Amino acid sequence: DAGITQSPRHKVTETGTPVTLRCHQTENHRYMYWYRQDPGHGLRLIHYSYGVKDTDKGEVSDGYSVSRSKTEDFLLTLESATSSQTSVYFCAISAGTGVNSGNTIYFGEGSWLTVV
Amino acid sequence: KNEVEQSPQNLTAQEGEFITINCSYSVGISALHWLQQHPGGGIVSLFMLSSGKKKHGRLIATINIQEKHSSLHITASHPRDSAVYICAGGSQGNLIFGKGTKLSVKP
Repeated sequence: DAGITQSPRHKVTETGTPVTLRCHQTENHRYMYWYRQDPGHGLRLIHYSYGVKDTDKGEVSDGYSVSRSKTEDFLLTLESATSSQTSVYFCAISAGTGVNSGNTIYFGEGSWLTVV
Repeated sequence: KNEVEQSPQNLTAQEGEFITINCSYSVGISALHWLQQHPGGGIVSLFMLSSGKKKHGRLIATINIQEKHSSLHITASHPRDSAVYICAGGSQGNLIFGKGTKLSVKP
């Protein structure tokens, strides 16, 4: 199993509060991704990183920011949480030049976030 | 319209049956991934293929690039195969995911 740890695994927070989810990897993979998974939708990309301090937006990036100051850590921040951000969040990693080049993707266990 | 479509959405089978899950995509992709998500949420990569066929145990994945279609087959299905199976196409640096096929194998 790839060494990917997400924290927290479960969180309930109030609308308007900031929330940070952490993804930590021990594989030294270059690419890291944050996805959200909601009923009726496939996994959707929020942001991804292709190196330290190199990040880019995905299809559902509004309301989220990310940071990657070290190879092993990729943080996802909800600046002011809303109920529409209640979801399951998955971190993933991929080696080399990323999934588009045919590298395997490995997922973390998921973080369940409820915004009330 | 989702660029990656899976069928069926739900599938119930009896233990021992041969199972096929289909995936069609409308975008150009460089690789097609099959993933498995068990109850409880963890997602595991089963296959990544760009041509032909791959086999791992009772699982077989095929892809036809010209027809933009991939299939996942499970031989001699078992209740422990019950999960959601997701296909995803690698395009422009990222993955585009299907909505998944929920498989339930009854003993």
